[in-house]
Amino acid sequence: DQQVKQNSPSLSVQEGRISILNCDYTNSMFDYFLWYKKYPAEGPTFLISISSIKDKNEDGRFTVFLNKSAKHLSLHIVPSQPGDSAVYFCAASVITGNQFYFGTGTSLTVIP
Amino acid sequence: ETGVTQTPRHLVMGMTNKKSLKCEQHLGHNAMYWYKQSAKKPLELMFVYNFKEQTENNSVPSRFSPECPNSSHLFLHLHTLQPEDSALYLCASSPGLEETQYFGPGTRLLVL
Repeated sequence: DQQVKQNSPSLSVQEGRISILNCDYTNSMFDYFLWYKKYPAEGPTFLISISSIKDKNEDGRFTVFLNKSAKHLSLHIVPSQPGDSAVYFCAASVITGNQFYFGTGTSLTVIP
Repeated sequence: ETGVTQTPRHLVMGMTNKKSLKCEQHLGHNAMYWYKQSAKKPLELMFVYNFKEQTENNSVPSRFSPECPNSSHLFLHLHTLQPEDSALYLCASSPGLEETQYFGPGTRLLVL
């Protein structure tokens, strides 16, 4: 059973606009969440994280929002740039656990 | 070399071959991981090592055999694989088990 889901396999956004990538999870014990970005032929690169004691974390153009009651997190990229075109994975874990659970990824294309 | 490196980057093998994947991390981390990435599936955790000791084996078939001689090196020995084992195999490391993981570029494996 997939505990972390990214229901949109792809997303296209115009350059300069906001990109919103969504992620849902089923395990209410998860308390640490991350977003990774992956370019073709490269491994995933850590982007931003959030722990369950917060509902928002911001780093430059990237903001992650966590809605614990809805078991939902989202990544906002604003303004979107062509270099942001990549596959974005969300991941979740119990902070005391060994394992991160990954979603299937959303492929973002930013159109110049 | 910096970060997490993996060799080879691409591998084609027959079902009767024996091959090994190598991962090396130059980050001073204590935990290392093997993941499998199949098309349209979430990243699947295979093995976890912490201070050279295996702490997790996610029901991986015995045709995959990990080895961790020290905290900087991780191997995945492959023998009598099946075509469905064709995937991208990613290595990752983290300072400790609950911390952000840093990924290598992966080995693209094709089993014929």
